[in-house]
Amino acid sequence: DAMVIQNPRYQVTQFGKPVTLSCSQTLNHNVMYWYQQKSSQAPKLLFHYYDKDFNNEADTPDNFQSRRPNTSFCFLDIRSPGLGDAAMYLCATSLAGGNNEQFFGPGTRLTVL
Amino acid sequence: QKEVEQNSGPLSVPEGAIASLNCTYSDRVSQSFFWYRQYSGKSPELIMSIYSNGDKEDGRFTAQLNKASQYVSLLIRDSQPSDSATYLCAVSDGNNRLAFGKGNQVVVIP
Repeated sequence: DAMVIQNPRYQVTQFGKPVTLSCSQTLNHNVMYWYQQKSSQAPKLLFHYYDKDFNNEADTPDNFQSRRPNTSFCFLDIRSPGLGDAAMYLCATSLAGGNNEQFFGPGTRLTVL
Repeated sequence: QKEVEQNSGPLSVPEGAIASLNCTYSDRVSQSFFWYRQYSGKSPELIMSIYSNGDKEDGRFTAQLNKASQYVSLLIRDSQPSDSATYLCAVSDGNNRLAFGKGNQVVVIP
């Protein structure tokens, strides 16, 4: 089945220790998104890639970076995680030019100690 | 700033009843509207998409869209305990972005 996969599902890191989360998709969608979601809040868009074009949200901290080496994979790098970065990180994909239906992966729960 | 409002607090419904959720949005040019279901600790799952005024039915779910009044709603008929979740309303801005509401928690009481 076509799907969005995220690894790892749970990640524990130490304050200030860089961490990388990964997302892959078999849907062949050209748009990939990274969201941060904290408890009882709506998903917050960090950035998205339209093909290779990177689109950062204005309020995304510089601590968050992303890479998309090919159509299938996208990475979220948190350079120096703080306690406030503990959250669920969601990857989603969509097909540009369509109705912007976005399909989410299972998420990565990040804990910062 | 494009806003999506889901103002109702937690909704408790008896099993078998109808759950009704409402959502309003601020951007008149929005064309695509979605409802996502999110179980606690899980990721959002797309359950309904609607693009034209009127009703769209899929199983026990009905989405209703009124662009003139800028609202979209979701009805869940014959509510089941498995419907207990948070329901997120999302509106496309036409630029590959979705604006999400804060969600409505639904609790179905057996």
